[in-house]
Order: sequence, then structure tokens, then C-alpha cells
Amino acid sequence: GAVVSQHPSWVICKSGTSVKIECRSLDFQATTMFWYRQFPKQSLMLMATSNEGSKATYEQGVEKDKFLINHASLTLSTLTVTSAHPEDSSFYICSARKQGWGTDTQYFGPGTRLTVL
Amino acid sequence: EDKVVQSPLSLVVHEGDTVTLNCSYEVTNFRSLLWYKQEKKAPTFLFMLTSSGIEKKSGRLSSILDKKELFSILNITATQTGDSAVYLCAVEASGAQKLVFGQGTRLTINP
Repeated sequence: GAVVSQHPSWVICKSGTSVKIECRSLDFQATTMFWYRQFPKQSLMLMATSNEGSKATYEQGVEKDKFLINHASLTLSTLTVTSAHPEDSSFYICSARKQGWGTDTQYFGPGTRLTVL
Repeated sequence: EDKVVQSPLSLVVHEGDTVTLNCSYEVTNFRSLLWYKQEKKAPTFLFMLTSSGIEKKSGRLSSILDKKELFSILNITATQTGDSAVYLCAVEASGAQKLVFGQGTRLTINP
């Protein structure tokens, strides 16, 4: 199997606070994980690529100081939304890349719905 | 710039109908094309396609890739209400690791 978990599944916070979201690959090791953001009725927008043991690679337009990513182990990546504001409210989804024989596949976590008041 | 375009964006059919969803792409150094199903939460993996002309099948779902014409189709036969979802197509470029997603097709199956 290939199971990816995310925690929390939903969070409500006040404006100005920081929120940490965890992404774990439960039954495989993932040197690479990805963080996406999804607005209602829109497709997934890649925010950053998280590489175990090194700095994340951010997509153009994504503020690295606002969205802190840490990939400290082969099964865990965290996304911290710092000084959150209402416009950061969104559905955040992580995925983990599972390496296979000649082909790699990304498996997604269940997502975290963030609401900033 | 790598691009994935899905059509139609929205489709409403009756239970029992067969549907075909389309995905066309432009990518440098194509590696694979993936189909995902997204209901209320995050996408679940359906198929990965890397070779032209080889159909992948899982129950009532099947998919095929045409690397010459740069497109893929996802077929669902004998549709059921549980097939209602957004179907996402994504492409991975060799060496890039990241996926480029299409806009998705919102499929609604009416009883």
C-alpha cells in the first residue's frame, strides 16, 4: 500500500498566529514530498517541493518566509503557515513520492482545511 | 511552460451511461501521465501511464495514452452515482519530479 496521513484534518486559528501541518508517509519512505494548495472548485496548485535533509524548493510566487517547510525525516514533512491571515484560508494537501521499479507515483494525504479568522 | 488541459470541465450524465474524459498535454521530456479521482478530500490515485497504446484497466475504469498526439482518455463504463467526483489529470516531466495538473473534469452522475 501507499498511505499518506495529514494532521490536523482541519484547523481554525486567529489572524496573526502560526499553524503547523504535518504530512507523514505511513508505509513507505519518501525522500520527496510536495505541498499543494487548492481553492474551491479549482485544481491543485503546487506550492513547494520538500526534500529530505535539504531546503525546500518553492514555486514562483510562494513566499518561503511565510510557508516554512521542514522535511527532517524520510516519513515526515511539515508546513508552517506563519502569521496567518484570512487570505491564507484554503485546503492544503501534501503528497509523498513513492519510488517504484522504473516508475514513481505520488500519493496524496487527506488534506487540511485551514480557516483563519 | 508545461501545460495540461482537460475537457470537458463539467459533465452530467445518467447512471449507466459511459463517459470519456480527455486530457491533452504539452511537456518537455515527458515521463508519465497520471489520473486521480477527487471527491470531498484529497485526490486518490487511479492510473499511471507511461507507454503509448497500452490500456490500463481497473474495473469499470480504463485509460490509454497517445504520446504521439499528446493526450490521454479516461473511460468509465456503466457509471454509478459513486463515480461522481472531480477527475484530475497530471503530467510529470523527466527529472522534474513535480506534477503539473489540469483543471479537472467535474463529473456528476444522476440516478
